[in-house]
Amino acid sequence: NAGVTQTPKFRVLKTGQSMTLLCAQDMNHEYMYWYRQDPGMGLRLIHYSVGEGTTAKGEVPDGYNVSRLKKQNFLLGLESAAPSQTSVYFCASSYSLDRAGANVLTFGAGSRLTVL
Amino acid sequence: GENVEQHPSTLSVQEGDSAVIKCTYSDSASNYFPWYKQELGKGPQLIIDIRSNVGEKKDQRIAVTLNKTAKHFSLHITETQPEDSAVYFCAATSNFGNEKLTFGTGTRLTIIP
Repeated sequence: NAGVTQTPKFRVLKTGQSMTLLCAQDMNHEYMYWYRQDPGMGLRLIHYSVGEGTTAKGEVPDGYNVSRLKKQNFLLGLESAAPSQTSVYFCASSYSLDRAGANVLTFGAGSRLTVL
Repeated sequence: GENVEQHPSTLSVQEGDSAVIKCTYSDSASNYFPWYKQELGKGPQLIIDIRSNVGEKKDQRIAVTLNKTAKHFSLHITETQPEDSAVYFCAATSNFGNEKLTFGTGTRLTIIP
């Protein structure tokens, strides 16, 4: 039982390049989330998904796109990377609201992205 | 929307002493307040949470208190140990929906042996 797995763990991009971060969970969670963590800013929600085939914007969605084609996977894409997107990205998952423990977020180990 | 402020940003305590981290929130409708611990190189992990119908909750050496009138809640760690060194995040939400969870800016706790 791996929990939430993020790939890659580290990546360096040049401004304007594109990339995709992959998040996979094996807990059969309905909900999945992408956060970014910046010094002094805490964790800010980028996008989230309440089920396969659905996505929604969070607090800071600009410059990012997401897809949830399979229940266990949630992809975060950067179409044209900018230095402001240098950050540590965390994926998380949880049960839906009608399940016990729905409020507990299970986080991955993070992906550190540097945009030069 | 909700705004959560967390203090202090860094905290150093001697091993065995107590540590207290405080958070304030702005939305009086908030009713769920979790605390997450992030160890170096790992993702945050829930350590304790409290709902608005409870004033205090304890789990071994950690406790959380909630003052709804003042809109603040605190994390208390007693008999601190080296493994308590981490970054701690408070959070708040008003509808149990995790998409509305607003995190504080984090407190880096260092336990001095």
